Amino acid sequence: KNEVEQSPQNLTAQEGEFITINCSYSVGISALHWLQQHPGGGIVSLFMLSSGKKKHGRLIATINIQEKHSSLHITASHPRDSAVYICAVIGVQFYFGTGTSLTVIP
Amino acid sequence: SQTIHQWPATLVQPVGSPLSLECTVEGTSNPNLYWYRQAAGRGLQLLFYSVGIGQISSEVPQNLSASRPQDRQFILSSKKLLLSDSGFYLCAWSDFGGPVGNIQYFGAGTRLSVL
Repeated sequence: KNEVEQSPQNLTAQEGEFITINCSYSVGISALHWLQQHPGGGIVSLFMLSSGKKKHGRLIATINIQEKHSSLHITASHPRDSAVYICAVIGVQFYFGTGTSLTVIP
Repeated sequence: SQTIHQWPATLVQPVGSPLSLECTVEGTSNPNLYWYRQAAGRGLQLLFYSVGIGQISSEVPQNLSASRPQDRQFILSSKKLLLSDSGFYLCAWSDFGGPVGNIQYFGAGTRLSVL
């Protein structure tokens, strides 16, 4: 069993839809990252969370430490949001989810 | 502003050949530095991280090694490549002073094919 589980694995949405990607983890952590990997492979760090909620533009990330769960929300999705979104947690070592592949259709 | 340079962008190497991938960071001092690998169809895996010159921590045993000869230079090496070393290699940095796991800034990556 992976220490970090993401759902869904694949997601297709219409432009403008509200999107939620979930991440559950089974280890004690000090922080959680959400990463965005573009089709060419480049990776951008979106958020680092240790509690509560963070917002950046149309992106919102939340974490519930007690439930060991985090969500990444995208409001008013756009085709340029199409990417793989990766959840990573920092415990005694780094653990990565396998990613959620998002395709936003115009 | 800070920038991270990683090269080459793509590399094709025969099995048994050596490897050297270089990563440099500009515009910051004493960064934490990281090497990741993403094998085809698999998730990211942290290979090495460094909190200072000459200080390397290895996350997984493997055919690779890392060195940090200068504050802002991180090198990933192998003496003899294996087919299983193929993948997408990413270098990243984060600010010094916080716990390992601060916001990380990634290089553009090197796509390595071992044939």
